[in-house]
Amino acid sequence: GAVVSQHPSRVICKSGTSVKIECRSLDFQATTMFWYRQFPKQSLMLMATSNEGSKATYEQGVEKDKFLINHASLTLSTLTVTSAHPEDSSFYICSASPRSGGATDTQYFGPGTRLTVL
Amino acid sequence: GENVEQHPSTLSVQEGDSAVIKCTYSDSASNYFPWYKQELGKRPQLIIDIRSNVGEKKDQRIAVTLNKTAKHFSLHITETQPEDSAVYFCAATMNYGGATNKLIFGTGTLLAVQP
Repeated sequence: GAVVSQHPSRVICKSGTSVKIECRSLDFQATTMFWYRQFPKQSLMLMATSNEGSKATYEQGVEKDKFLINHASLTLSTLTVTSAHPEDSSFYICSASPRSGGATDTQYFGPGTRLTVL
Repeated sequence: GENVEQHPSTLSVQEGDSAVIKCTYSDSASNYFPWYKQELGKRPQLIIDIRSNVGEKKDQRIAVTLNKTAKHFSLHITETQPEDSAVYFCAATMNYGGATNKLIFGTGTLLAVQP
């Protein structure tokens, strides 16, 4: 149980284009999903918290107009990198927590999306 | 806000030896501490977690200890095997019911188990 998928796993795009990454919880409902980026040999940097049916909460320094997040259902959140540039190249990972009546701490991660902007 | 420090950044042990990774946190309100293992190019996998109402938790070769007074928690891996080689991340968060709160991650420890 608690499987999170991400699509695509790898994408290469030209500078200036937009890229959409999907994060799905396959066997549970997730009221909250998180988006991280990870540079080589570094820790996970939280970009934003995605809440179903409401606006995402962005971390300080993350441009909300550049990294658009939509959490339209309890099983799907999308991250769109708009007008991508080479410095946006990174490993993007989402996580989700099962919805329950009490504490919902445990986060399960997707397999990640390797974005390369040429 | 919460800040999590993790040490060491790299750790090399011989197969069969034990490995210990330590983390400290700053916010005494944090009450949930998971540990994740990440192999190169793959997703972080939850390996063990502990909540603030217990001081120790064990799962086969893996154990986690928590000292709330000192605000630090540690991961212990016994009888290490080459397949334990990976990057390990600790994290901390506070949750008292309701919405899931964000995890604050440590900087990671690259564990290398030498055969």
